[in-house]
Amino acid sequence: DIQMTQSPSSLSASVGDRVTITCRASQGINNYLAWFQQKPGKAPKSLIYAASSLQSGVPSKFSGRGSGTDFTLTINSLQPEDFATYYCQQYNSYPLTFGGGTKVEIK
Amino acid sequence: EVQLVQSGAEVKKPGESLKISCKGLGYKFTSYWIGWVRQMPGKGLEWMGIIYPGDSDTTYSPSFEGQVTISADKSTSTAFLQWSSLKASDTAMYYCAKHSARLPDYWGQGTLVTVSS
Repeated sequence: DIQMTQSPSSLSASVGDRVTITCRASQGINNYLAWFQQKPGKAPKSLIYAASSLQSGVPSKFSGRGSGTDFTLTINSLQPEDFATYYCQQYNSYPLTFGGGTKVEIK
Repeated sequence: EVQLVQSGAEVKKPGESLKISCKGLGYKFTSYWIGWVRQMPGKGLEWMGIIYPGDSDTTYSPSFEGQVTISADKSTSTAFLQWSSLKASDTAMYYCAKHSARLPDYWGQGTLVTVSS
């Protein structure tokens, strides 16, 4: 199985900040990397696919970068609605695997 | 509009069986994979397995192989996740997700399964 390691596991930030979350795969995943946002008590929401492509309707404040094994999610100008847990997932090969999540909290 | 509508919360005792459902609406059900994801209380997302309703081709995560069964009914556009003998450790929220070429793009609202004596 491909292991996905996210860091940090949590972070505190203020409204207006820019934050970056990192995701590392245990082997190359050909950019088959997705990012999801999950708010408490809600289903995950798809944000980014193919490492850097925004899902329809997702604001451009979210951006993804990376290739091979190292990827990042950046959120610009944090707003109250962005405080949530973010997960990366590789979909290069079965079994699909998620990172452990990064909880973005209000400072 | 694509929607995945899951069945309601369940409370079961250890050893009981259970089958939860996920109905696909607003798209051609037989042309897209549907996967299942577990989220234990306070924990992260775990991918369990996936089915292609068109021909019932199924792949399981090794962590869940033999523990659950994934199936689909084309006639009702519904996918299922079932257990033959529940354990307390099966207590979790379960999500279904429509997949496009292995990528989850639309998610159900989740089904909470509680297993307690």
